[in-house]
Amino acid sequence: AQSVTQLDSQVPVFEEAPVELRCNYSSSVSVYLFWYVQYPNQGLQLLLKYLSGSTLVESINGFEAEFNKSQTSFHLRKPSVHISDTAEYFCAVSEGADYGGATNKLIFGTGTLLAVQP
Amino acid sequence: DAGVTQSPTHLIKTRGQQVTLRCSPKSGHDTVSWYQQALGQGPQFIFQYYEEEERQRGNFPDRFSGHQFPNYSSELNVNALLLGDSALYLCASRGQMNTEAFFGQGTRLTVV
Repeated sequence: AQSVTQLDSQVPVFEEAPVELRCNYSSSVSVYLFWYVQYPNQGLQLLLKYLSGSTLVESINGFEAEFNKSQTSFHLRKPSVHISDTAEYFCAVSEGADYGGATNKLIFGTGTLLAVQP
Repeated sequence: DAGVTQSPTHLIKTRGQQVTLRCSPKSGHDTVSWYQQALGQGPQFIFQYYEEEERQRGNFPDRFSGHQFPNYSSELNVNALLLGDSALYLCASRGQMNTEAFFGQGTRLTVV
């Protein structure tokens, strides 16, 4: 069965410092990997995704994540955070669908609260 | 494009009652999934609808049921509400050629 582990429930960091949010997954088949961000009282927004190809994926707002198959990890990094990055970050995994060819259900981790301090 | 819209945004129900939550998918999307997010937890998959049929189901009791209409909108029904059903219910949609799910703002259900 698939599972996702986010070891850090909260990561405090000062503004303009680098940050890494850790994500490990377990699955017996090839997977798609995602990072979603949730701001207070809002739904989830896709930050970035890994489907295939280059193991390093980037978002438009400076985040990047690297797929490491041997370590079954998909850690999220940003070299310099802003106050506005304060939010809950969820790592998720999905297997290929058994119909239609599109992605299947998402399995989420428990989330990491990124708390950026001035 | 309005994106994924859910209604209502907030709801308070009494234990034992029934509730219906609604979701309109993003334009061009035909697959709808529902998730339950308890406070301080990640979203948990409830079920997924495609072509008006339930295609996948998570580990939720039969009290949780759903429906998808010909216009691809969807409803989530929960019967015999328990206090533990209090959560944020999220709807997500995607098209068959999309590999990412787009989420709505959610419905906050409180059972008292």
